[in-house]
Formats: sequence, structure tokens, C-alpha cells
Amino acid sequence: GNSVTQMEGPVTLSEEAFLTINCTYTATGYPSLFWYVQYPGEGLQLLLKATKADDKGSNKGFEATYRKETTSFHLEKGSVQVSDSAVYFCALISTGGGNKLTFGTGTQLKVEL
Amino acid sequence: GAVVSQHPSRVICKSGTSVKIECRSLDFQATTMFWYRQFPKQSLMLMATSNEGSKATYEQGVEKDKFLINHASLTLSTLTVTSAHPEDSSFYICSASPGTGLSNQPQHFGDGTRLSIL
Repeated sequence: GNSVTQMEGPVTLSEEAFLTINCTYTATGYPSLFWYVQYPGEGLQLLLKATKADDKGSNKGFEATYRKETTSFHLEKGSVQVSDSAVYFCALISTGGGNKLTFGTGTQLKVEL
Repeated sequence: GAVVSQHPSRVICKSGTSVKIECRSLDFQATTMFWYRQFPKQSLMLMATSNEGSKATYEQGVEKDKFLINHASLTLSTLTVTSAHPEDSSFYICSASPGTGLSNQPQHFGDGTRLSIL
């Protein structure tokens, strides 16, 4: 079956530091890949997505590249801000999966001044 | 952009009460909506897929008589937690995608409902 593995958190960084949150996946076919962000007490917001190999999703300074050869979709940001503190979820929808999302366990990011 | 509204945002009630949570797609039609449950500091667990005009599809281990889902229109799905008990306390989140069930479309999430059963 499908699965998504994320690095465990919490990840604590100083403001303006470089961020990487690793994500790898297992899926049949050619899944679409997503990063969602959840701020405290809120639902999830789509951060970025990629639908085919070598696609790069980007939004608000965050980027992730769909690497089929390594089955990875690592999230990166060059300079984090305190306002980026949240939980980040990597997720996939597999081909023919009826639009069901499979989530990773989430990685909490804490950015300090 | 696509907006999903979930109501109420927070419910506190006594054990044995039934609680209804609404999920509305405000600016698009959704033949399919999804209901998730999230435990503290954990990922989202898909409970069921809500299908407009037909029965919901429940994931393994989710009691369909306990968690009643109704998807009466293309913009509204409801989840009713029947005879709720303290172990049902959790954060419930719904999501929906624009379109007619096409795969690979990003889902848009409601803000969630914090359910606390005393």
C-alpha cells in the first residue's frame, strides 16, 4: 500500500536559518505529492504540490522537487521566519486512488528569534 | 481560492450527547468530501469518504453507526458523532476537492472541530 515517511520533529531553528524537512514515499504508479501546513488550532492549508517527476512545487519561499529516482519530496526554505512555526505534513494521492490522501506523521517546526 | 467552511469550531458536551459537525464547500461543488480525525501531535486518520447522494465509504475500524455521515448536496456534508463518549474527544477535520472526483486534485481543508466530551 501507499505510505509516506517524514523526519521526526520537533525541528527547532533560529530565524533566517535554512530548513529541510525530509519526506520519502512508497506508492504504486505515479502519485501526486503535496505539502500541507497546519498552524496551531487550525485545519490544513495546501502549501505546494507536484504532479510528476522532476516537477518543483513552490510557494511562500518553500520549495520541494518530485524525485522519482529517490522517491522523495523534501521540503526546503532558504530563510525561515518565526511565522513559519507550524506542523508540516507530506502527503500523496496515488494514481487511481480516488483522491484519497495518504499523510506522513507530520513534522513540527519551531522557529526562534 | 477554494474555501471549505467547517462548523462548529469547538464543542464541549456531556457524555451520551450526539454532536453534528457541518462541512461546506463555499465556492465550488464537491461530489466527494473526506472526514479525518486527528489525535494530539499525530497525523490525520481518514475516517470516511462522503459521497453526494450515496452512502459513505468508511475506513477499516471506523464504526459507521457511531459516525453517521450525510452528504445531501454538492456543497454540504455532515458528520454526526452519536452517543459521544470521552474517548471520542478529538480534532475532526473535513476536506473537499473541486470537480467530480478526479484524482490528483489538491484537497482543501476546513479549520477543524475540537470535540471535547465530558
